Amino acid sequence: AQSVAQPEDQVNVAEGNPLTVKCTYSVSGNPYLFWYVQYPNRGLQFLLKYITGDNLVKGSYGFEAEFNKSQTSFHLKKPSALVSDSALYFCAVRDMRNDYKLSFGAGTTVTVRA
Amino acid sequence: DVKVTQSSRYLVKRTGEKVFLECVQDMDHENMFWYRQDPGLGLRLIYFSYDVKMKEKGDIPEGYSVSREKKERFSLILESASTNQTSMYLCASSFISYGYTFGSGTRLTVV
Repeated sequence: AQSVAQPEDQVNVAEGNPLTVKCTYSVSGNPYLFWYVQYPNRGLQFLLKYITGDNLVKGSYGFEAEFNKSQTSFHLKKPSALVSDSALYFCAVRDMRNDYKLSFGAGTTVTVRA
Repeated sequence: DVKVTQSSRYLVKRTGEKVFLECVQDMDHENMFWYRQDPGLGLRLIYFSYDVKMKEKGDIPEGYSVSREKKERFSLILESASTNQTSMYLCASSFISYGYTFGSGTRLTVV
């Protein structure tokens, strides 16, 4: 079965520093991978997805993610973090048996300090 | 933009009550989902529907049922609410595998 893992519960960075949120995946076949962000007391918002093509995917709010097949990773990155990036981030992978179904990681809380 | 609307942001219900959580989407998506979100557990799929009157169990369907009589509406039903169903409930819709659009969530407290 496909799954994603987010090895860090929390990531703390200073404003202006690079931000990385890690995600590794386990699937058979080619993965469809997604990143979502959740602000307090809100639903999840789509950030970006990898389906095929370039390994570096650009998304909303200045975020990008790098797909690495050999390391089975899909890390989310932002070159210069903002305090407003403080939120809960989820990685997700498409279910290969039911292609409309996503499986989510446990989430990583990002705190950006001023 | 696709909108997914959940009827209540906050609900407080008593143990044993029958609870209805409503979700409506406005983009003619075939697929709709109900998740619950708990700290440290991420999102867990309760039920999903890929067409009107069609439903499939997700990972944690016990204690829940769903109804999809119209394409735009997907209801989650707690037959007899219990305190362990206190959680954040998220509805989502999607078109094929292009990712989900989520509602704002309903925070349910069962007392």
